[in-house]
Amino acid sequence: DTGVSQDPRHKITKRGQNVTFRCDPISEHNRLYWYRQTLGQGPEFLTYFQNEAQLEKSRLLSDRFSAERPKGSFSTLEIQRTEQGDSAMYLCASSLGDLRGETQYFGPGTRLLVL
Amino acid sequence: SQKIEQNSEALNIQEGKTATLTCNYTNYSPAYLQWYRQDPGRGPVFLLLIRENEKEKRKERLKVTFDTTLKQSLFHITASQPADSATYLCALKGDDKIIFGKGTRLHILP
Repeated sequence: DTGVSQDPRHKITKRGQNVTFRCDPISEHNRLYWYRQTLGQGPEFLTYFQNEAQLEKSRLLSDRFSAERPKGSFSTLEIQRTEQGDSAMYLCASSLGDLRGETQYFGPGTRLLVL
Repeated sequence: SQKIEQNSEALNIQEGKTATLTCNYTNYSPAYLQWYRQDPGRGPVFLLLIRENEKEKRKERLKVTFDTTLKQSLFHITASQPADSATYLCALKGDDKIIFGKGTRLHILP
C-alpha cells in the first residue's frame, strides 16, 4: 500500500500524559499537513511542512503541540500534558504542493481519547 | 470574517434521484475549490477540483459548479445510489493552506 499511513490508529491516554503520533506520507510528496477533526466538524488545520520546513502553524495550536518532519519524510505530532479537550481524530495528509491544484491524500487518522 | 458554509443538516435523497449539495464562502478569493468524500472513521478522499476560471467540472456521475460572483459551489450526484451515502466536504484554497467546511451528511434512501 503506497498511501498515507498513520500510527497508532487509536490511542487512549490519561489527562496529563504525553502522546506522539506518526505519519508516513506518500513518498514523492513534499507537503505534509496535520489536521484535527471532532465529531460533526470538518478537518481543522493545525500545521504543515514543505519538505522538512514547518511553514505555518494554526493559532489554535497551543504550546503543548509540536510537530516535526526531520528528514522531509515522515512526521510526528506530539501533544504534551494532554487535556480532555484534545480528544479528537488527528489526520495527516500529503500532497505534491502543485500550485495549479493541490490534491491532498489523507491517512486513516489517529483517534485520541483523553480520559 | 472568513467562512465556509455547508448545509449542517443531513440530506436525505431517494435512490436514483440527483443529490445537490451547497458550499458557500465569504471573504475568500480562492484559486480553486475541492470536494472530498468522508466515510465514518476514515480520512477524506478527494473527488473533484474546480478552478476559479472554470464554471463546471464533471467526473462520471459527479458534477461541480463554481460561481465566484455568488461565492458558491454546487456538488451534484446524479442517479444516486445507497453507496453514495457519506459526508461530503467542501475545501478551498485560503492563503497558503486548504480550509475545509464542516461537511454535509448525505443519505441515499433505497
